[in-house]
Amino acid sequence: RKEVEQDPGPFNVPEGATVAFNCTYSNSASQSFFWYRQDCRKEPKLLMSVYSSGNEDGRFTAQLNRASQYISLLIRDSKLSDSATYLCVVIHLRDNQGGKLIFGQGTELSVKP
Amino acid sequence: DGGITQSPKYLFRKEGQNVTLSCEQNLNHDAMYWYRQDPGQGLRLIYYSQIVNDFQKGDIAEGYSVSREKKESFPLTVTSAQKNPTAFYLCASRPETGGTYEQYFGPGTRLTVT
Repeated sequence: RKEVEQDPGPFNVPEGATVAFNCTYSNSASQSFFWYRQDCRKEPKLLMSVYSSGNEDGRFTAQLNRASQYISLLIRDSKLSDSATYLCVVIHLRDNQGGKLIFGQGTELSVKP
Repeated sequence: DGGITQSPKYLFRKEGQNVTLSCEQNLNHDAMYWYRQDPGQGLRLIYYSQIVNDFQKGDIAEGYSVSREKKESFPLTVTSAQKNPTAFYLCASRPETGGTYEQYFGPGTRLTVT
């Protein structure tokens, strides 16, 4: 079983739609959680951190459920420019890995006019 | 401007040749990382360094080598021992202090070996 699992998609949605991505992680000792966005053939860029209380940044809302080891990202009123691959990222601090990021394989989103 | 630079953007090599990928940062970050990304897969850690003159193997270090002689620089050498070197290589960095764990990525180098 992969440490971080995401639905690879693709998710094809019309402009203005609300779309939700889910991510599960297997290590209960995981401590920090992020969503990164990666455009085609570009580097990943930090979209937002995910906090236990849930957090919102404009049209984006991230949720964490530690009991179920589950992270979500909700995008409201999706724009064409939201088309990208969304990477779920988890960190669990180990003695010898210095805060290694563990990536899901990404969920591809395509927003159509 | 502060940031992470990687060069070159595209690199082509013949099988059996070693090749070195450059990564430089002027963010004054202590920790630096090398990842590899293959199509349809998540990033996988090759090597990381938390301090100058020290580095550690990641999950897929075989066939790669690194050095960290300066805080700003963390070059990666892909050796002829790496069986499937064609991939997208990403360098990242983060500050060691401050309790923040997110990493910031350079633009990547696409290596093609034929």
